[in-house]
Amino acid sequence: AQRVTQPEKLLSVFKGAPVELKCNYSYSGSPELFWYVQYSRQRLQLLLRHISRESIKGFTADLNKGETSFHLKKPFAQEEDSAMYYCALSKGSGGYQKVTFGTGTKLQVIP
Amino acid sequence: SAVISQKPSRDICQRGTSLTIQCQVDSQVTMMFWYRQQPGQSLTLIATANQGSEATYESGFVIDKFPISRPNLTFSTLTVSNMSPEDSSIYLCSVEGRMNTEAFFGQGTRLTVV
Repeated sequence: AQRVTQPEKLLSVFKGAPVELKCNYSYSGSPELFWYVQYSRQRLQLLLRHISRESIKGFTADLNKGETSFHLKKPFAQEEDSAMYYCALSKGSGGYQKVTFGTGTKLQVIP
Repeated sequence: SAVISQKPSRDICQRGTSLTIQCQVDSQVTMMFWYRQQPGQSLTLIATANQGSEATYESGFVIDKFPISRPNLTFSTLTVSNMSPEDSSIYLCSVEGRMNTEAFFGQGTRLTVV
């Protein structure tokens, strides 16, 4: 069974400090990993996906198959980064199928 | 991207009653998904709804409790039947992206059962 683990419910950092939101997964096949974000009073939306290897709003995430991790990183946190972040796994290659979400991490950037 | 309108955005209901949540998409999509997010928990998939066929329910969810309709390619409803306080959650509608590699979500329905 696929599983996504986000060990931190809350992460507080000061503005300008580096951010790392941890995500570990378990899946026997080739997963597709995503990070979703939910800002206050807004809907859940895609932040980035591992297959694109892109940087969005300064965030990056590298898939480490050896460690089965997909940590989200940003070198300098901004106040507008405060939100709930969900790591998600979709089984299958390139196909949207059943998506498993982590429990989420609330990022709080302190001014 | 897809724009999803979900309503109601919130409701307070008496136990034993039922609530139907509507999800409208601005484009035709093959698959629509319904999630539940209980307080402090992650999103849990309830069922997948394809147009023209019965919904596929995940383990722990049954059609009698969560009947789903999918009359066309842009609309779906989820009914929470015979509600109890344990059904108090946020219910989310989701659709797949055009490239089938991401999900778009409605704003959610916050349900409180008293």
